[in-house]
Amino acid sequence: SQQGEEDPQALSIQEGENATMNCSYKTSINNLQWYRQNSGRGLVHLILIRSNEREKHSGRLRVTLDTSKKSSSLLITASRAADTASYFCATDTVNSGYSTLTFGKGTMLLVSP
Amino acid sequence: IAGITQAPTSQILAAGRRMTLRCTQDMRHNAMYWYRQDLGLGLRLIHYSNTAGTTGKGEVPDGYSVSRANTDDFPLTLASAVPSQTSVYFCASSRGAGSYNEQFFGPGTRLTVL
Repeated sequence: SQQGEEDPQALSIQEGENATMNCSYKTSINNLQWYRQNSGRGLVHLILIRSNEREKHSGRLRVTLDTSKKSSSLLITASRAADTASYFCATDTVNSGYSTLTFGKGTMLLVSP
Repeated sequence: IAGITQAPTSQILAAGRRMTLRCTQDMRHNAMYWYRQDLGLGLRLIHYSNTAGTTGKGEVPDGYSVSRANTDDFPLTLASAVPSQTSVYFCASSRGAGSYNEQFFGPGTRLTVL
């Protein structure tokens, strides 16, 4: 079963605008990761935020985590056409005593020139 | 270039046939994973291996088997393919087991079962 759920399912913006994607999850987590997937390609890791962190930055990316609301957001500032991709959040899940990642269904971002 | 390779890139398979999807990584990562990606369902974990010689079941393991004879290779076998196994399959690896590790993904195998 899915743990993280991204919102919106699809987002269309103009170059230069900011893009915000949200992820909600159901059970307590130790950390949350965001990944990006270009069409027809494998996923690429963007950023990991631990449960005791509230905000993290990486270049034009800003991730926030609110464990009380069980939600995270990914903000891409000053978007570019090259940011067009699907973005997934992934939360840790304990599976037979081992921790694995459970991915959401993704947000498809389209950045128009 | 270090990374993960998957083969074949795509395959059309008759139902009932046996198929092995290959995955090889050259990063000496301990953990490896197989996911399937279906439209509207996102990525779902099929099987994983935390280290060579061990494997575990993920969310959707039925109809699939894996082996991890060495660090580099993690093949996924469909013993008798069914149309519901039509999907894009991704192999991934991470330095260590556990959710604090970044996962590196291969380019995927697009499988169609008719």
